[in-house]
Amino acid sequence: DTGVSQNPRHKITKRGQNVTFRCDPISEHNRLYWYRQTLGQGPEFLTYFQNEAQLEKSRLLSDRFSAERPKGSFSTLEIQRTEQGDSAMYLCASNKGGKETQYFGPGTRLLVL
Amino acid sequence: QKEVEQDPGPLSVPEGAIVSLNCTYSNSAFQYFMWYRQYSRKGPELLMYTYSSGNKEDGRFTAQVDKSSKYISLFIRDSQPSDSATYLCAMSGLTGANSKLTFGKGITLSVRP
Repeated sequence: DTGVSQNPRHKITKRGQNVTFRCDPISEHNRLYWYRQTLGQGPEFLTYFQNEAQLEKSRLLSDRFSAERPKGSFSTLEIQRTEQGDSAMYLCASNKGGKETQYFGPGTRLLVL
Repeated sequence: QKEVEQDPGPLSVPEGAIVSLNCTYSNSAFQYFMWYRQYSRKGPELLMYTYSSGNKEDGRFTAQVDKSSKYISLFIRDSQPSDSATYLCAMSGLTGANSKLTFGKGITLSVRP
């Protein structure tokens, strides 16, 4: 499968715990995006990378959130001290550059109890 | 006012009907317009991708963009039960920070056999 992959697909955690999600983009894609989608809403932009550089962060990305893409390939999104409001689907997308459409992974569904 | 507004749903139609889905936007920087389809608990899947005003057809799907009115539409002809999903409009600017996608809220379509 050469599409965008995300792991884990589901995560249940208790409030206050830290969680980390992984995204593996399509191999030749140098841009990687993270979005968050809550029930009944469209995805909302969180952050994006061009190669290993994080070029933009949304105001939605509080200081409890950190994303990395250390070698310009896969990316991780960590949420520290999770809150119930963090419960959402976290989506990763990738493309070759700004003018190309983004291809999405299946998402990681997070539930914070 | 949100940057992208999408007609509220849900929408239920009989099999074979023509479906019209619409979005309006306020940001003149948007240059690329997309429609994604999302099945329950899955990531968004690209349906149509257009740049500039005009129509684009792909099988049973037609995307229409009117930049002067800041209005985009997706038409589905001969709708099928397999078309039942949530449809999301999405837009982006040309380059750099504007390349992130801004989504509508999504509309859930149900096609009755």
